[in-house]
Amino acid sequence: TQLLEQSPQFLSIQEGENLTVYCNSSSVFSSLQWYRQEPGEGPVLLVTVVTGGEVKKLKRLTFQFGDARKDSSLHITAAQPGDTGLYLCAGPRVYNQGGKLIFGQGTELSVKP
Amino acid sequence: NAGVTQTPKFQVLKTGQSMTLQCAQDMNHNSMYWYRQDPGMGLRLIYYSASEGTTDKGEVPNGYNVSRLNKREFSLRLESAAPSQTSVYFCASSGISGRVAITDTQYFGPGTRLTVL
Repeated sequence: TQLLEQSPQFLSIQEGENLTVYCNSSSVFSSLQWYRQEPGEGPVLLVTVVTGGEVKKLKRLTFQFGDARKDSSLHITAAQPGDTGLYLCAGPRVYNQGGKLIFGQGTELSVKP
Repeated sequence: NAGVTQTPKFQVLKTGQSMTLQCAQDMNHNSMYWYRQDPGMGLRLIYYSASEGTTDKGEVPNGYNVSRLNKREFSLRLESAAPSQTSVYFCASSGISGRVAITDTQYFGPGTRLTVL
């Protein structure tokens, strides 16, 4: 069974701090995605990583796909209150059954001013 | 261009009542999905539709039915609501006609917050 496990589940930090969120699996994924969900809204895609070892940057956010394509991390530099939200990693099911995704349980981030 | 729209936004039901959640997308996407989101459990797939006229079960289909009315609309029905179905329900869509790529973005609606008493 493909599973994605995220850690930590909750993170509360002060503005300006750095943080890293992890997404791990025992299965190989052809790609992984990170979504952010703000309170009361649906998730929105931040990034897709497709190559083992790939690093992508989105302003203060850095995403990395593990060499073995079993894990990914999201690093935020100098967090701001606007980064507050639920961060979800997701990957396609085996053989990409009609585009279905498996989601991790999420990391709830709170950045206090 | 509204993206994915869902109605209603909030709903309270009594045990045993039925209701239909509506979803529509205006991005000409082939695939549509219904998820439920519960605290600490991420998003779990209830049903999905890879194309107009086809539907298939996801991880947690029991107690739900779906209809892919046309390419734009995908509805979720609870025939006899139970307290265990209290959740936030999200509809999503992805893909462009004739192509399914492993890295397609899923676009989500704003969600329906359902409480079953």
